[in-house]
Amino acid sequence: DVKVTQSSRYLVKRTGEKVFLECVQDMDHENMFWYRQDPGLGLRLIYFSYDVKMKEKGDIPEGYSVSREKKERFSLILESASTNQTSMYLCASSKRETGNTEAFFGQGTRLTVV
Amino acid sequence: GNSVTQMEGPVTLSEEAFLTINCTYTATGYPSLFWYVQYPGEGLQLLLKATKADDKGSNKGFEATYRKETTSFHLEKGSVQVSDSAVYFCARSSASKIIFGSGTRLSIRP
Repeated sequence: DVKVTQSSRYLVKRTGEKVFLECVQDMDHENMFWYRQDPGLGLRLIYFSYDVKMKEKGDIPEGYSVSREKKERFSLILESASTNQTSMYLCASSKRETGNTEAFFGQGTRLTVV
Repeated sequence: GNSVTQMEGPVTLSEEAFLTINCTYTATGYPSLFWYVQYPGEGLQLLLKATKADDKGSNKGFEATYRKETTSFHLEKGSVQVSDSAVYFCARSSASKIIFGSGTRLSIRP
């Protein structure tokens, strides 16, 4: 059974903390993504990576960074957490081929910044 | 630009009712189109997809047809069940990325 696993289901962090969200996939996929999901806004792409050590900004990269040191792992970093980063974060992965890029999602991490 | 627009929710229906959730897209070229579903407390999972014009994707009684002339990919089901209650996302491919609509929350009354 294919899997994308996010390290935490729920997190509560304080304003100003550095926060790491981890994601691991076991499908040998080249592409990995981080989205945030907010009511009424759908899924917005934060960053994606199409290969090890490669990264591209998505639509809302401000306040975030990412790391992809190994093919199976893609980390999202909040350098200094703020309350407006309270959200549901979803990781996804897909094969490299374009045009038919079905993505597989993790179960999500609900982050609350207080 | 490249975007996906779907009907706003929430949508509330009685069991066995007919369902339509509208979705239109803008794109250059011919993207692949998807419907994803998110059940309570879970991540998204692919419901169905279509990769070229006039293709029909289907799964679990849901259907959607890729209409190039109207740039639409409306989701339909003839008889909904309580277990279909979820959030539904229309999406399109964009190179290696996927662009999502804002989601439509569906609630089915017994």
